[in-house]
Amino acid sequence: QQQVRQSPQSLTVWEGETAILNCSYEDSTFNYFPWYQQFPGEGPALLISIRSVSDKKEDGRFTIFFNKREKKLSLHITDSQPGDSATYFCAASGSNYQLIWGSGTKLIIKP
Amino acid sequence: AQTIHQWPVAEIKAVGSPLSLGCTIKGKSSPNLYWYWQATGGTLQQLFYSITVGQVESVVQLNLSASRPKDDQFILSTEKLLLSHSGFYLCAWSLEQGDTEVFFGKGTRLTVV
Repeated sequence: QQQVRQSPQSLTVWEGETAILNCSYEDSTFNYFPWYQQFPGEGPALLISIRSVSDKKEDGRFTIFFNKREKKLSLHITDSQPGDSATYFCAASGSNYQLIWGSGTKLIIKP
Repeated sequence: AQTIHQWPVAEIKAVGSPLSLGCTIKGKSSPNLYWYWQATGGTLQQLFYSITVGQVESVVQLNLSASRPKDDQFILSTEKLLLSHSGFYLCAWSLEQGDTEVFFGKGTRLTVV
């Protein structure tokens, strides 16, 4: 029941293109969905997040699209830069102190 | 400014030996504290969380234990390491439960041989 799934496992796009990372969940009680960015050898850092009352959240080149009915969300990275190359994790939480994490998408931006 | 310090940075330990990893948060009073484990190239698995001194809740045990002896300190330990304990251990903190940012430390890389 408490699962978060991400796809694709890895994604390569050219510099300047839009990268689309997908996430889905099963537990309808989840109401907060953060996306974290992780570089090799470092801890993850919050990139952008959305609450289930919204269907879209923008922060610069990063946008989350959220479909509550289908329990799906996606992260769009426009004008991708080589510095965006990292692993991106979708996570979800409800009313407790637990975050449930997806398996991550490794994003490679080719210059 | 808030800082989170994890120690050691890396460890190589033998199977069956004990382990103690530490984490200190400075600049925040009474934070919620978390321990996570991450396999190489894998997802994050929350192990424990603590919302107050002396109280720790287990999410997944994996033959590990955690303690919070001080408001700003979180300890992860085991008396006997297994090969499966290898991985990246991350300490983290947040101010509130649920929909709030979780801040991670730089992690400890553990190799069990």
